[in-house]
Amino acid sequence: GAVVSQHPSWVICKSGTSVKIECRSLDFQATTMFWYRQFPKQSLMLMATSNEGSKATYEQGVEKDKFLINHASLTLSTLTVTSAHPEDSSFYICSASVASGRMGPYNEQFFGPGTRLTVL
Amino acid sequence: GEDVEQSLFLSVREGDSSVINCTYTDSSSTYLYWYKQEPGAGLQLLTYIFSNMDMKQDQRLTVLLNKKDKHLSLRIADTQTGDSAIYFCAVPLSSASKIIFGSGTRLSIRP
Repeated sequence: GAVVSQHPSWVICKSGTSVKIECRSLDFQATTMFWYRQFPKQSLMLMATSNEGSKATYEQGVEKDKFLINHASLTLSTLTVTSAHPEDSSFYICSASVASGRMGPYNEQFFGPGTRLTVL
Repeated sequence: GEDVEQSLFLSVREGDSSVINCTYTDSSSTYLYWYKQEPGAGLQLLTYIFSNMDMKQDQRLTVLLNKKDKHLSLRIADTQTGDSAIYFCAVPLSSASKIIFGSGTRLSIRP
């Protein structure tokens, strides 16, 4: 149980185009989903937190208009990289959590396999 | 804000023990995580420890927590080639549902 999928697993696009990445919780309903970006030197950076049916909360320094996040249902969140540029090339990972704001192992985050984005 | 630090690399000989260390700043976290990331994949929860525990053992894994020094460690006994991965220390923020990750320690195994 607690499987999270991402689609696509990798994508190559031209500079200036937009790319949409989907994150789905396959066997549970996720009240909260998180989007991370992983840089080549390993570090995982939280980009935004999204709760179903409400606007995403972006971390400081993350451009809301560039990284559009939609969490329309309890099993699906999407990240759209708008007007992508080569510096947006990265590994994007989503995670999903069952309970928001609770402390304890029950709000564990389950991670998707990641999406490798390459912008030419 | 919360800061979680790890060394970036660790190399051990196959069969030896690996010890990955982590320091953090938010002392109010009720539990702490270790995640494992294999090449090209997402993160998987490896183990976690409640803040009221000093040690947790799970087969080859031993987690030690020193709350006074805000130091967490993960020991992998009898390290195997399949243990090659990046290991992330992660601390939930007590004020939010967010988890703060360390930079990750890349564990490599040499024959």
